[in-house]
Amino acid sequence: GNSVTQMEGPVTLSEEAFLTINCTYTATGYPSLFWYVQYPGEGLQLLLKATKADDKGSNKGFEATYRKETTSFHLEKGSVQVSDSAVYFCALSTLANQAGTALIFGKGTTLSVSS
Amino acid sequence: NAGVTQTPKFQVLKTGQSMTLQCAQDMNHNSMYWYRQDPGMGLRLIYYSASEGTTDKGEVPNGYNVSRLNKREFSLRLESAAPSQTSVYFCASGPLQETQYFGPGTRLLVL
Repeated sequence: GNSVTQMEGPVTLSEEAFLTINCTYTATGYPSLFWYVQYPGEGLQLLLKATKADDKGSNKGFEATYRKETTSFHLEKGSVQVSDSAVYFCALSTLANQAGTALIFGKGTTLSVSS
Repeated sequence: NAGVTQTPKFQVLKTGQSMTLQCAQDMNHNSMYWYRQDPGMGLRLIYYSASEGTTDKGEVPNGYNVSRLNKREFSLRLESAAPSQTSVYFCASGPLQETQYFGPGTRLLVL
């Protein structure tokens, strides 16, 4: 079946460090891929997405490239800030019953950035 | 626009009690979803509604029922709460086959 695997956390970094959070997926067909972020006490917010192979999603300095050959969608940021501390979820979409899009989530990776 | 709103924000129930979680969206989206979030499990789909008048089961539907009251509202009902239903519940909405937008969540504790 369809699934998402992302690296275990927590990830602890100093401000201005480089961030990589690994995400790989298993899916039939050609899913869309997403990164969502959850700040403490809040709901999930879309961070970026990519809908086809080799697409690069980017937002707020974060980037991820849809790699079909390695079934990966790793999240990167060149210089993290304390305000980036949050839980990051990788997700993919499938067609549910030929209508609507159900999201399948990874378990989440907690990022903690210290100054 | 308020986006996706959920009520209540927090609820404590005793085993066997019932309750309904409310969700509304003002973005004119066709599809709405209910997820639960448990530590170390990510989010899991409980039920979804691809359009007004339709509902379908997700990954973990047992113990829940849903109603798509109209295009804006999608409620989740626990008929007889169990401790295993202690969780954070998120409602989401989205245009067909596109990005989903999440509400702030309802924290439920079942004693």
